[in-house]
Amino acid sequence: KAGVTQTPRYLIKTRGQQVTLSCSPISGHRSVSWYQQTPGQGLQFLFEYFSETQRNKGNFPGRFSGRQFSNSRSEMNVSTLELGDSALYLCASSLGRTGGTEAFFGQGTRLTVV
Amino acid sequence: QQQVKQSPQSLIVQKGGISIINCAYENTAFDYFPWYQQFPGKGPALLIAIRPDVSEKKEGRFTISFNKSAKQFSLHIMDSQPGDSATYFCAGNSGNTPLVFGKGTRLSVIA
Repeated sequence: KAGVTQTPRYLIKTRGQQVTLSCSPISGHRSVSWYQQTPGQGLQFLFEYFSETQRNKGNFPGRFSGRQFSNSRSEMNVSTLELGDSALYLCASSLGRTGGTEAFFGQGTRLTVV
Repeated sequence: QQQVKQSPQSLIVQKGGISIINCAYENTAFDYFPWYQQFPGKGPALLIAIRPDVSEKKEGRFTISFNKSAKQFSLHIMDSQPGDSATYFCAGNSGNTPLVFGKGTRLSVIA
């Protein structure tokens, strides 16, 4: 069974640009959550999607957005990139809603903003 | 977001020794507590998880001890090996809330 696939693995963008990251969950999983990982802040929750609907949102500015498609694949978008957005962006998939169920992470997308 | 506090930040253990990482949570509604292991350049991998209806769960060399009254739980790695060198994260959540993670513990197992 394939794991969680995130593309691309690495990205270098310039301040002010926008970026779209993709996540394909484990087959049959309907929930996708996104996290930002930085050395200083650790793993910070961005948002959760279940059945194409955003179910939870973390404390991030509106420049961070996402969506989920009918096949459960998810994308997140960051507009007007800032240097502080440089981080590892992780996607996790779960069979059901994330509460109390096993969440499996992808390898992440390393975003560098210059 | 309710916090999960994790300690220590870093840990050095001799090969064959016991590694112990501690976490404390604030939200008494949390009912699921997983531990993740992360190697450099990889995403976190689910290691072991516990629910508050049991005080201990063991899987191979990894054991979670859970103290509901103290709102604390810990990961014990028995017979630690160099291959266990990684960063470990504890987390907690409940119902339909997202996982809240501790800041991580960098474990180094030296021969």
